[in-house]
Amino acid sequence: EVQLVESGGGLVQPGGSLRLSCAVSGLTFNNYWMAWVRQAPGKGLEWVGNIMQDGSETYYVGSVKGRFTISRDNAKNSVYLQMNSLRAEDTAVYYCAARGDCYSPGACFFDPWGQGTLVTVSS
Amino acid sequence: DIQMTQSPTSLSAPVGDRVTITCRASQRISTFLNWYQQKPGKAPKLLIYGASSLQGGVPSRFSGSGSGTDFTLTISSLQPEDFATYFCQQSYQTPYTFGQGTKLEIK
Repeated sequence: EVQLVESGGGLVQPGGSLRLSCAVSGLTFNNYWMAWVRQAPGKGLEWVGNIMQDGSETYYVGSVKGRFTISRDNAKNSVYLQMNSLRAEDTAVYYCAARGDCYSPGACFFDPWGQGTLVTVSS
Repeated sequence: DIQMTQSPTSLSAPVGDRVTITCRASQRISTFLNWYQQKPGKAPKLLIYGASSLQGGVPSRFSGSGSGTDFTLTISSLQPEDFATYFCQQSYQTPYTFGQGTKLEIK
């Protein structure tokens, strides 16, 4: 059974930092790009960023560039999201998801997803 | 950034109805278009990828079509478990973007 399990969420003050983890089992982890997607309370989905299979390339949405860093440890089948300089607008459920290579539409989607972890930025 | 616009944003329909949700991209994205279903408190679930390919395990009453800028998700005969929110997503280029969602409710 494929499982993605996020952890590390919680309450943090504006300007603070938090590190999320996502442990993956049941799939060949180093075959997949990994992504983080977030959802503010009652809102839609927002892609946060991706990391390539070997960790050599990362991409981010503009609103988190310079503040968030995605990394991975293929030996531990885990991906991480380091979040610094957090703002109230970063409050959301953060999901990790696997993504195939995007050389064709047939592999360029997010699946499977973890259950999410809630990050609340508030004083 | 590519903007994805879904319509309608909400929809009320009875069990057994045929329902269509549309998604429009602000520029051409070939068939780099995916559809997800999300139920309250749960993670999104992939339904359709590459605009028209059905993800394994997804019932055949779900179908997708389109190319370029205009896409549709159709549910041929609504079942009680289909009442949820549906999102389209473009994977043509980063930043990957989602539609705002269509909330499908029971009539």
